Amino acid sequence: EPEVTQTPSHQVTQMGQEVILRCVPISNHLYFYWYRQILGQKVEFLVSFYNNEISEKSEIFDDQFSVERPDGSNFTLKIRSTKLEDSAMYFCASSRDIYHNEQFFGPGTRLTVL
Amino acid sequence: SQELEQSPQSLIVQEGKNLTINCTSSKTLYGLYWYKQKYGEGLIFLMMLQKGGEEKSHEKITAKLDEKKQQSSLHITASQPSHAGIYLCGALSPGDSNYQLIWGAGTKLIIKP
Repeated sequence: EPEVTQTPSHQVTQMGQEVILRCVPISNHLYFYWYRQILGQKVEFLVSFYNNEISEKSEIFDDQFSVERPDGSNFTLKIRSTKLEDSAMYFCASSRDIYHNEQFFGPGTRLTVL
Repeated sequence: SQELEQSPQSLIVQEGKNLTINCTSSKTLYGLYWYKQKYGEGLIFLMMLQKGGEEKSHEKITAKLDEKKQQSSLHITASQPSHAGIYLCGALSPGDSNYQLIWGAGTKLIIKP
């Protein structure tokens, strides 16, 4: 069964460093998403992406964040200058289209900023 | 903005017993999703409900959406250790977004052998 994959599973970085989180969505899906979950808190929407551009973004998704689909399979989230408060589990998701919008999630990347 | 409230926050159930988890919205729901979260496995899609009164089942898990589309319940029959985890409801809300899911805080389910 097709699934969303994410790498790495755990990333440790120093404050101020750039990190790139990688995701491979399900191959015939057209919509891609990033969410995050700070330990002990609710899952929060960051951004959605369709047709090579951002469809929606939340207040969390400021200028320090960017997303890219560099090729036909990968979908990346970049944090330019990490802060302590960026420590969280980051989930990538994809859905087939707007009418079949069950979102399927990857296993997540745990980001720890020291 | 829309809020989703889940209850209970946590639940300890004897293996074999039935249980129900609730998700209540402050606004009419366009789509209500149930996911299960297990450490290291991300969010596992269970079911999506869109129509008032809709009910769906998968194995021993049944989810319902009320007629007013503001409350959903997830019912597990004859619980097993494999049902343990955190159950999350997520929702789309027309007018706020076409894409993003907002989430409840989750219900942690523990199954006692």
